[in-house]
Amino acid sequence: GNSVTQMEGPVTLSEEAFLTINCTYTATGYPSLFWYVQYPGEGLQLLLKATKADDKGSNKGFEATYRKETTSFHLEKGSVQVSDSAVYFCALSLPMNYGGSQGNLIFGKGTKLSVKP
Amino acid sequence: KAGVTQTPRYLIKTRGQQVTLSCSPISGHRSVSWYQQTPGQGLQFLFEYFSETQRNKGNFPGRFSGRQFSNSRSEMNVSTLELGDSALYLCASSSKTSEAGELFFGEGSRLTVL
Repeated sequence: GNSVTQMEGPVTLSEEAFLTINCTYTATGYPSLFWYVQYPGEGLQLLLKATKADDKGSNKGFEATYRKETTSFHLEKGSVQVSDSAVYFCALSLPMNYGGSQGNLIFGKGTKLSVKP
Repeated sequence: KAGVTQTPRYLIKTRGQQVTLSCSPISGHRSVSWYQQTPGQGLQFLFEYFSETQRNKGNFPGRFSGRQFSNSRSEMNVSTLELGDSALYLCASSSKTSEAGELFFGEGSRLTVL
């Protein structure tokens, strides 16, 4: 079936360290891929997205590239800050002709990131 | 503009009871989706409504139901509560012009079943 697998957390880094959170997916058709972030006490927010192979999504210094050949969408940031401490979710949206719809996302289990000063 | 508003934020129920959760989407958004978030299963899609019609449904038992009103506000109901229904229930809205998957989430309603 369709699914998203993320690296287990928690991940603890020092400020200015390099961040990678791995995400791989299994899906029928060509899904769109997303990273959502949940800051403490807040709702999920869309961080970035990519809708086709080789697309790179980027926002707030975070990047992820849609790799069809490896079915991956790893999240990276060159220099993390304390304010990046949050839970990060990788997600996919199936195409409409494969049962997808606008509001139906398949999420990974989330990776908690803690950044220490 | 105001974000997605969910009420109540916290509630405690006992097994066998039922619960109704409410979601007010962002003004102008006509699509509302519901998700259940638990430590074990993560985020799981419950259902999606658009213009008062259920557009999609996840793999949950019939005890979970929802509806959407003409003003786009949505409610979900869980009947005959079980301990395993304890979770954070998230509502998300999107507009007609949003791309698939671009959702705006509320802060959730945390349900505890005793």
